Amino acid sequence: DQQVKQNSPSLSVQEGRISILNCDYTNSMFDYFLWYKKYPAEGPTFLISISSIKDKNEDGRFTVFLNKSAKHLSLHIVPSQPGDSAVYFCAASWGRNSGNTPLVFGKGTRLSVIA
Amino acid sequence: GAVVSQHPSRVICKSGTSVKIECRSLDFQATTMFWYRQFPKQSLMLMATSNEGSKATYEQGVEKDKFLINHASLTLSTLTVTSAHPEDSSFYICSARDDRGHTIYFGEGSWLTVV
Repeated sequence: DQQVKQNSPSLSVQEGRISILNCDYTNSMFDYFLWYKKYPAEGPTFLISISSIKDKNEDGRFTVFLNKSAKHLSLHIVPSQPGDSAVYFCAASWGRNSGNTPLVFGKGTRLSVIA
Repeated sequence: GAVVSQHPSRVICKSGTSVKIECRSLDFQATTMFWYRQFPKQSLMLMATSNEGSKATYEQGVEKDKFLINHASLTLSTLTVTSAHPEDSSFYICSARDDRGHTIYFGEGSWLTVV
């Protein structure tokens, strides 16, 4: 049973346009969500996170939106750049004050930004 | 920014031998570290949660006697693959949770090839 789902395995976007990556979750205990970017044969790089007490968090070109009622979050990248081409993982955890809980990852979405 | 260093990045070993992979948090303390394994074109699969000064917690299906984890200090966790077999060949990634907050940072990953 997958608790974090990224239903789109791949996404192609024109350079300069907006990239929207989606993520759904089933576990209502999750209270912290993160997005990671990953290149082949490298570890994931942290991009942006959001706590369940917020519905939006913005950092430069990256914005994460959280819809708790729908158990859905999305990552918006605008404007998209060729260097953004990578696999993006959505991750979730619970018990923010407990350091012991691991991240639960989605399967990732491969973003290709076309020049 | 926060950095997690993983070493070695690539290692080739013979069947039956043991290999140690190190994971260090370079500019923060991490009471909790996580070890993941990634198969080609698949998501990150959590192997175990490592807590400084105590025994690691292994996920179901992960052999604790085969994948030995030691978290002897607040900045270092090691994963030792014992009696390695070719099917242990994979990409292993560690991550560390910054004790000051909730973000988890990943190492660069280690490619293990067992011949």
